[in-house]
Amino acid sequence: GQQVMQIPQYQHVQEGEDFTTYCNSSTTLSNIQWYKQRPGGHPVFLIQLVKSGEVKKQKRLTFQFGEAKKNSSLHITATQTTDVGTYFCAGQGTYKYIFGTGTRLKVLA
Amino acid sequence: SQTIHQWPATLVQPVGSPLSLECTVEGTSNPNLYWYRQAAGRGLQLLFYSVGIGQISSEVPQNLSASRPQDRQFILSSKKLLLSDSGFYLCAWRNDRLTSGEQYFGPGTRLTVT
Repeated sequence: GQQVMQIPQYQHVQEGEDFTTYCNSSTTLSNIQWYKQRPGGHPVFLIQLVKSGEVKKQKRLTFQFGEAKKNSSLHITATQTTDVGTYFCAGQGTYKYIFGTGTRLKVLA
Repeated sequence: SQTIHQWPATLVQPVGSPLSLECTVEGTSNPNLYWYRQAAGRGLQLLFYSVGIGQISSEVPQNLSASRPQDRQFILSSKKLLLSDSGFYLCAWRNDRLTSGEQYFGPGTRLTVT
């Protein structure tokens, strides 16, 4: 079945450093979404990418969708303590979503 | 605006006991509804989804079941809990009128089976 893997599984960074998480699917995706889950909380939608090679920015966050629509990345510039949490990508099927394994980010002040 | 409710927030149940978790959505009609389970420090595992009343698709064979008795109500049940059923259960909805779109998650239920 379809699998979506993310690397790294964990990342500790000093505040102000950059952070990147990568998402790879075993099959071509119609679109990809990114979610953030704060410790103890529930996932919250960040963004959706649809087009091959698409790049979107939200302040310090940059999201990319690969040309082959099988991979994606999330890059955070100059991390802050508020960026702490687990970041998930999710590939969408007709009705259901396949979530990636997640990357847990810790930011050291 | 739309809101999603889940209860209870936390639950401690003995092995072999039954389970009923409820999720309701307000402010929308005919949503696609989802149940996920998240083990501690792990990713999201899709358990069930529903595209309409009485329509349930199961993703993982297990001792859990789901029902959708009303348009905006989704229930997760078990007749006999196992230790491995412990986890964080999340309900989510999506607008069915969109060909693609984000999911909105409820606050979740933390279940500990002892």
